[in-house]
Amino acid sequence: DVKVTQSSRYLVKRTGEKVFLECVQDMDHENMFWYRQDPGLGLRLIYFSYDVKMKEKGDIPEGYSVSREKKERFSLILESASTNQTSMYLCASSRDRDGTEAFFGQGTRLTVV
Amino acid sequence: AQRVTQPEKLLSVFKGAPVELKCNYSYSGSPELFWYVQYSRQRLQLLLRHISRESIKGFTADLNKGETSFHLKKPFAQEEDSAMYYCALLFLTGSARQLTFGSGTQLTVLP
Repeated sequence: DVKVTQSSRYLVKRTGEKVFLECVQDMDHENMFWYRQDPGLGLRLIYFSYDVKMKEKGDIPEGYSVSREKKERFSLILESASTNQTSMYLCASSRDRDGTEAFFGQGTRLTVV
Repeated sequence: AQRVTQPEKLLSVFKGAPVELKCNYSYSGSPELFWYVQYSRQRLQLLLRHISRESIKGFTADLNKGETSFHLKKPFAQEEDSAMYYCALLFLTGSARQLTFGSGTQLTVLP
């Protein structure tokens, strides 16, 4: 059973904290993506990566960074968490660069208080 | 700029009734469109893509370039169709192709 695993299902952090969201895939995919999912806004792409140590900005990268040190792991970093970053975060991995047939993780519900 | 619009946030139909989830897009290039579905407490997954022109779980979607629409239809809704549905457009940005999603429609099929 193919898997994209996000390390936390629920997370509560304080404003100003540095937050790490971890994502691991076991499909040997080169392409990985981070989205945030908000009611009324749908999914918005934060960052993506086509290879180890490679990253590209998506539509809303401000306030975020990413790390891809190993092929199977793609981390999203909130440098200084703010309340407007309270959201559901979805990680995905894909064999194709488009990500159209990506496998999604279960999501991390982050609340910043 | 490219944009996907799903005008209905919520849609309720009775079991056995036809259902249509609306999706409109704006894009200057050649569009590729998709529907994704997320059932309660499950992962988001691809439902269908317009280029395959197939029916998945009884759903079909036809790309209408004249009306810039890609509505999702099913003639007889089932309770298990209740889910969040997202329409998405694949567009060219620089040398990459990227998906942009609509805001989603929560479909509830009533017994």
